[in-house]
This record gives sequence, C-alpha cells and structure tokens, in this order.
Amino acid sequence: EIVLTQSPGTLSLSPGERATLSCRASQSLTSNYLAWYQQKVGQAPRLLIYGASSRATGIPDRFSGSGSGTDFTLTISRLEPEDFAVYYCQQYGRSLYIFGQGTKLEMK
Amino acid sequence: QVQLVQSGAEVKKPGSAVKVSCKASGDIFTSHTISWVRQAPGQGLEWMGRIIPTLNVANYAPTFQGRVTITAAKSTNTAYMELSSLRSDDTAVYYCAGGVGFGDESWGQGTLVTVSS
Repeated sequence: EIVLTQSPGTLSLSPGERATLSCRASQSLTSNYLAWYQQKVGQAPRLLIYGASSRATGIPDRFSGSGSGTDFTLTISRLEPEDFAVYYCQQYGRSLYIFGQGTKLEMK
Repeated sequence: QVQLVQSGAEVKKPGSAVKVSCKASGDIFTSHTISWVRQAPGQGLEWMGRIIPTLNVANYAPTFQGRVTITAAKSTNTAYMELSSLRSDDTAVYYCAGGVGFGDESWGQGTLVTVSS
C-alpha cells in the first residue's frame, strides 16, 4: 500500500510570499496520478491540481504543481489571504486513493 | 461542474448502521466515478472507497473492508454509502466526490454522522 508523506506539517508565511509544499510517495506513482486539494475550515475540499501539474478548472495560475515518480511539489507563487488553508495530496492511479496527512498553511 | 447534494446529518447508536446518499445534478454516472471520503473532527481526509457506476464495480480501503458498501442507482443519479457496526470513532463528516479520472472536481456539502449512546 502506498503511503503519502507531506511536509512540512505546518507552514507559516505572509501574504505575498512563496509557498512550497512537498508530498513524497513510498512507491513511484502510476503516470503521475497525483492530485492536490485545498480545504478551508468548514468547507469541502477543492481540487487544485491533477496529473501532478495540470490546474483544475478555475484555479488561478499562482498555483502550480510539479514532480514525478515519488516526489511532488505544490507551489503558490504569491500568497493571497484566501490561500491560507490546509492542503492535501492524493494519489489516484491505483485502486486505493490514498491521501497525505495534510499541510496547514497559516498566516504569519 | 456537477453538483452533488448529500442527505442530512445523522445520529446513530454504537453497533448500528448509517446510509448516506449523494444525488448528482445531471446524468453523470455514464462518465464519473463517485468516491466517499470522511473527516473526523480536527483530522485529515480519509478515503473510504469508490464506485464506477457504469460497471457497478466498487473498491474499498482496507480499513473499511467488510463494513462499508457503496452503491449507485443510475436511474436516479444517486450514490449511497452504508457503514455498519458503527463505533464512536466513526463520528465524522462524510463527503461524496465525483470525477472523470483526473482527481475529484465535484464534492458534496458533507454529512455529519455522530455515533453516540
């Protein structure tokens, strides 16, 4: 069973700064089937990135995904106040759609 | 984007079962899979399983195997998740989510299930 490990657990940054979030898989992912979600308090998750690097519909271009194999990154180029939330990675290339444990992005 | 509307909050006794529904706004079952994800209070997302309605095939996370059943009624565009032998640590918000194989772009509003004696 694949395990996804996200780091850091919490990231404290200011608006306008660049955020870099990591997701590491215990095994190489099939065809980079890796997604990133954003979740705000009291809301359902929102799909940001699929296929490791493709933005979902309506997602601003300050969000970008990269990586392949076992190491993946979500980058937010210039943080806006509404970007402070919890971010999860998920692999969906095999029969079990595992989530990482999440990274909390908090305002400094 | 597809809209998914879930059934309302439930309070259940330990040992009982709960069945949550998820109705889609259109005829999406020919193209979408439906997953179920839960989130315990203050915790992360936990994937429970998914169904491919066109094939009527479901697969489940090992943690829930034997306790969860996911079904889909194509005639009403409604998916269901039934969880049995409920325990207090099953208290969580349960979400349905739909996608076409590139992550889940549509999510229900969530259903709070509280397990308490």
